[in-house]
Formats: sequence, C-alpha cells, structure tokens
Amino acid sequence: NAGVTQTPKFQVLKTGQSMTLQCAQDMNHNSMYWYRQDPGMGLRLIYYSASEGTTDKGEVPNGYNVSRLNKREFSLRLESAAPSQTSVYFCASGTGANYGYTFGSGTRLTVV
Amino acid sequence: AQSVTQLDSHVSVSEGTPVLLRCNYSSSYSPSLFWYVQHPNKGLQLLLKYTSAATLVKGINGFEAEFKKSETSFHLTKPSAHMSDAAEYFCVFLNWARDDKIIFGKGTRLHILP
Repeated sequence: NAGVTQTPKFQVLKTGQSMTLQCAQDMNHNSMYWYRQDPGMGLRLIYYSASEGTTDKGEVPNGYNVSRLNKREFSLRLESAAPSQTSVYFCASGTGANYGYTFGSGTRLTVV
Repeated sequence: AQSVTQLDSHVSVSEGTPVLLRCNYSSSYSPSLFWYVQHPNKGLQLLLKYTSAATLVKGINGFEAEFKKSETSFHLTKPSAHMSDAAEYFCVFLNWARDDKIIFGKGTRLHILP
C-alpha cells in the first residue's frame, strides 16, 4: 500500500540511550519531514529534507540528527535521549503544494 | 516572519449546528494552506487545501474553507456538525515560493455536544 511507513510504533528508552526512528515513503516524493507532537503545542517541525541529499533544521532541532539516506528514506536519530523528548513523532512526505502531504501513523516515544 | 495562528484551542458545538474553526496566517508571499484532522490516537488526514486556485475550497466530509487575502484568514466551516467530527483540527501553512517548510498551527479541538 502506498504511503508513509514509520517504525517503530512504540518505544520506551532510558535517559541517555540512543535510537533511530525510521521513515520510508513509496510515493516518489521529494520532500520529507519529521515532527513532534506534544499536548497543546500542535506539531513542531524538527528537521526537513527538501530533496535527496539535503537537510535543514526546523523549529526544534536540538537533540536530534537526521539522515536522508535516499529519496525514499529519512531517519531521525536521538543520540542521548532525555525525558523532554517524550513525545509522539510523525514523519511526512510531499511533492509540492498542489498535492498536500502524507503523514505516517506516528511513533510514541517515552523516555524514562 | 511566517506563521499560522489558530484562534481557538477548543470549540464546542451541538450536533446539527454549524462549525467554524478559525485560522489566520502571516506571510510576505502567497501561501498554500491546508486543514488536517486528527482523530484520537490516530494519524493526520488531509481535509482540504488551498493552492492559489479557487478561494473557496471544498474538502471531505462536508467541510469547506475560504481563503481571504485581505483578512489573511483561512477559516474552516461545516454547515451541520456530526458526532464523528469530534477531533483535533490543524491549520497548516506552506510558503512554497520561499522554502519547502510546512508549519502547523497549535490545533483546535472540536467537541460535539449531543
């Protein structure tokens, strides 16, 4: 099925541990995004990639790194997880304003 | 600075009455605007989008929105609310002429009263 696939769906980490959230899309979209969603804050952009080989910081990039591995895949890495990074993370992809953007189903991350 | 503001964090309406969710934007360039809906513990679904064609945009599930440049607004409306409309709604802004960054409003939670 076409769409955006995120893995894992749930994760619990201890403070200081590292992990990578994976995102893949099969719609041949140029742009990919990582957001975090926290109550009352809406979705805040962490990083985005306008095309393969490029990445840019969003609103809340501190504590995160990203890799645009190829056109399909855009991963988000937490090098040393902190409780403040407890959130729901969404990956999205799009190919321009005329088509809207497709979101993955989210990763619920808890850092204890 | 580019931004999008949803004017109400919560809106309550009775079933069968009209819905109005307000969104204003700030941009020096002509934006693209979207409304997304998120049902509890679900992902985000595109309701409708404005991309400089018709200013009145019709979306899914009976929703529509009107782009008003003079008021820098893109309010979401529905003539008659249904219980299944209870969800969180996000106004989303894209300044396609400048960069490819999409920015979310903080969301409006819509409550439907029986």
